[in-house]
Amino acid sequence: GAVVSQHPSWVICKSGTSVKIECRSLDFQATTMFWYRQFPKQSLMLMATSNEGSKATYEQGVEKDKFLINHASLTLSTLTVTSAHPEDSSFYICSASVAQPYEQYFGPGTRLTVT
Amino acid sequence: KQEVTQIPAALSVPEGENLVLNCSFTDSAIYNLQWFRQDPGKGLTSLLLIQSSQREQTSGRLNASLDKSSGRSTLYIAASQPGDSATYLCAAGDDYKLSFGAGTTVTVRA
Repeated sequence: GAVVSQHPSWVICKSGTSVKIECRSLDFQATTMFWYRQFPKQSLMLMATSNEGSKATYEQGVEKDKFLINHASLTLSTLTVTSAHPEDSSFYICSASVAQPYEQYFGPGTRLTVT
Repeated sequence: KQEVTQIPAALSVPEGENLVLNCSFTDSAIYNLQWFRQDPGKGLTSLLLIQSSQREQTSGRLNASLDKSSGRSTLYIAASQPGDSATYLCAAGDDYKLSFGAGTTVTVRA
């Protein structure tokens, strides 16, 4: 149980285009979904937290107009990287949690390469 | 702001040796402490979750302890195997967020 999927698993796009990444909780309803990014050989950095039906809460330093998060249902959240640039190339990982015990279940990640 | 530190950053041991991975956190007001495994280019696999009211958790060859007052957690892996080679991340859960350490990269030599 507690499976989280991400799609796509990897994507290559050209600079200036937008890319959408989906995160789904397959066998449970998630109270909250989280988006992280991870640069090579570094740890995960939380980008934003979203609850179904409400606006996402972004961490300091994360551009909300560049990283658009939509949380339309209790099982689906999307991250759109708008006007992508090479410096946005990274590994993006989502997670989902239920209210208690606040354990987060992680997706397999999406490798984004912007050329 | 919660700061999580993992020492050492890298560890290489011969097969069969026990592994001890350390994690420290600055704010003891945590809900839980999680240990994850990450293989290169892959997502996270949850290993153990310790609630704030617990002192340790065990799963097979893995045992994790938690000392909130001193802000420390330790992951023990008994009788290491080459398949245990990976990066191990600890994360402190405060409120509903997780703060991650930078990880310990483990290499188990056959």
